[in-house]
Amino acid sequence: NAGVTQTPKFQVLKTGQSMTLQCAQDMNHEYMSWYRQDPGMGLRLIHYSVGAGITDQGEVPNGYNVSRSTTEDFPLRLLSAAPSQTSVYFCASSYSEGAGDTEAFFGQGTRLTVV
Amino acid sequence: ELKVEQNPLFLSMQEGKNYTIYCNYSTTSDRLYWYRQDPGKSLESLFVLLSNGAVKQEGRLMASLDTKARLSTLHITAAVHDLSATYFCAVYRYGGSQGNLIFGKGTKLSVKP
Repeated sequence: NAGVTQTPKFQVLKTGQSMTLQCAQDMNHEYMSWYRQDPGMGLRLIHYSVGAGITDQGEVPNGYNVSRSTTEDFPLRLLSAAPSQTSVYFCASSYSEGAGDTEAFFGQGTRLTVV
Repeated sequence: ELKVEQNPLFLSMQEGKNYTIYCNYSTTSDRLYWYRQDPGKSLESLFVLLSNGAVKQEGRLMASLDTKARLSTLHITAAVHDLSATYFCAVYRYGGSQGNLIFGKGTKLSVKP
């Protein structure tokens, strides 16, 4: 059971480049989300999805796009990378409220540096 | 808007001592989670607290939830070096219009011999 898988683990981008961070889960979770973690800031929500075809913005969505075409996958796209997007990115998944169990499981993280 | 405050943010302890980390939140919720994060690693689930008065224990760590006071505590008993890590609480927000888990800023715990 792989859980939540993120790729890549590390990435260096030049300012203005675009890229996609991949996230896949095999637990049939409806709810998936992307967080960024910066020193002293805790985890801040970028975007989330409550099911295939449904996405919404979190606290810090600017500069990022998401889509959810399947239950398993929730990729995060950086449209034009900026140094302010240097961070560690975590993908998480959980069941939705109706299932009762809403514990979130996290991927291993992607450490992104924009130069 | 749900806000979550942890304190202290930094904690340096000696081995063998006891201490408590506090997690306060601003609006009603009855689900709270504690996570541990080691440097350079992901978040690992420690405790799931799903009702008022819930208490969970694992080894030297014990977590509790008081939904009326909007307070959760993580108590450390007889600390050992292996407990050095950053601990996050996360509060569940029903309705999820801005996401369903709101995190505190984390408490960085350092246990020294």
